[in-house]
Amino acid sequence: EVQLAESGGGLVQPGGSLRLSCAGSQFTFSSYWMSWVRQAPGKGLEWVANIKHDGSEKYYVDSVKGRFAISRDNAKNSVYLQMNSLRAEDTAVYYCARAEDGYYYYMDVWGKGTTVTVSS
Amino acid sequence: AIQVTQSPSSLSASVGDRVTITCRISQGIRNDLGWYQQRPGKAPKLLIYATSILQNGVPSRFSGSGSGTDFTLTISSLQPEDFATYYCLHDFSYPLSFGGGTTVEIK
Repeated sequence: EVQLAESGGGLVQPGGSLRLSCAGSQFTFSSYWMSWVRQAPGKGLEWVANIKHDGSEKYYVDSVKGRFAISRDNAKNSVYLQMNSLRAEDTAVYYCARAEDGYYYYMDVWGKGTTVTVSS
Repeated sequence: AIQVTQSPSSLSASVGDRVTITCRISQGIRNDLGWYQQRPGKAPKLLIYATSILQNGVPSRFSGSGSGTDFTLTISSLQPEDFATYYCLHDFSYPLSFGGGTTVEIK
């Protein structure tokens, strides 16, 4: 079964850092874009970042530019989200998703999410 | 950045009802829009991409339409498992953005 599994969430103080990981299985990881999407408590979905198959292109929502960095290791079938200078408003469940970005774009496989809480 | 306005934010409906959810986009995006379903405590699930293409395994009671700036998700006959929150997502250009969501509740 095609799967994604996030890890690395937790409680961190404002200004701190955290690195999320997402491991893919049962598909050719290096053939897909990968995405991070977050959901603050009781709120809607927010797209956070995308990375191309080979890592050559990366895109971010404005609110995390300069603080978050997406990366991937295709040899480990994994994508990462390095989060620095964390703020209370970054508190959310973070999902990774497999993205197809050929003629059409869609996110068709999602992990279960990992929770990040930014609080003192 | 492109703005996505989804309406209504919530609705109450009965099993068997026809339900329509709308997303209005701040500029033309061709047909670069998808729809996702999220049940409480669960990850989102892809329903439709490129405005009207049904993802494999999604029931045919779901359909999408529109182009340019106005898009619609229709559930032709609401089933008990369809009570959830629905989001549109534009993928015309970066940054991508979701609509605010529509929660479909049992009447």
